Amino acid sequence: DSGVTQTPKHLITATGQRVTLRCSPRSGDLSVYWYQQSLDQGLQFLIQYYNGEERAKGNILERFSAQQFPDLHSELNLSSLELGDSALYFCASSVGQGYGYTFGSGTRLTVV
Amino acid sequence: GDSVTQMEGPVTLSEEAFLTINCTYTATGYPSLFWYVQYPGEGLQLLLKATKADDKGSNKGFEATYRKETTSFHLEKGSVQVSDSAVYFCALSDQGVGGAQKLVFGQGTRLTINP
Repeated sequence: DSGVTQTPKHLITATGQRVTLRCSPRSGDLSVYWYQQSLDQGLQFLIQYYNGEERAKGNILERFSAQQFPDLHSELNLSSLELGDSALYFCASSVGQGYGYTFGSGTRLTVV
Repeated sequence: GDSVTQMEGPVTLSEEAFLTINCTYTATGYPSLFWYVQYPGEGLQLLLKATKADDKGSNKGFEATYRKETTSFHLEKGSVQVSDSAVYFCALSDQGVGGAQKLVFGQGTRLTINP
């Protein structure tokens, strides 16, 4: 157990639907990061939050949004889902620069 | 922007062979460098890291040295085991404005060790 908890582990949904992925960071970590891992694109950085505030944005589509709550857990919302959104979505947390990330085990999203 | 390039895989070796996975990077500042490992069906685990030039990170028999002059961070292990079969990712930590930070990953190298 890495200390970063992601739910659900698996999600199957239809095109056009909306889903919410949840992440609880490791205790004491203020930063949360979301990554998408697909076979053809590798690991793509989506977004970073630090103590409730958005700090960095990567290749995140407009159909996707995220937030970090006062208890530091984070949610990634994916809407108007397309087949190409099928991927592993990882959350990671960090205590700060130079310490690396601790990753959760991921949510596997399948859009059918 | 910052980027990481890893040697292309897949890499297949016999048990007890010597392993090198090449990694080079492009960065405007002085990033921290990392190697992560992903076992089948799992998330990424930090394997080792180095935060400044000439630092050597090591863990579980794996080593990598931060070489600023060649912008490289090659992963090595003297004698691999079947249990080392996994995907290995090289990454750098990109520190942006206002505390923004993200890890930039290479494309990953799939390693298979045969008994």
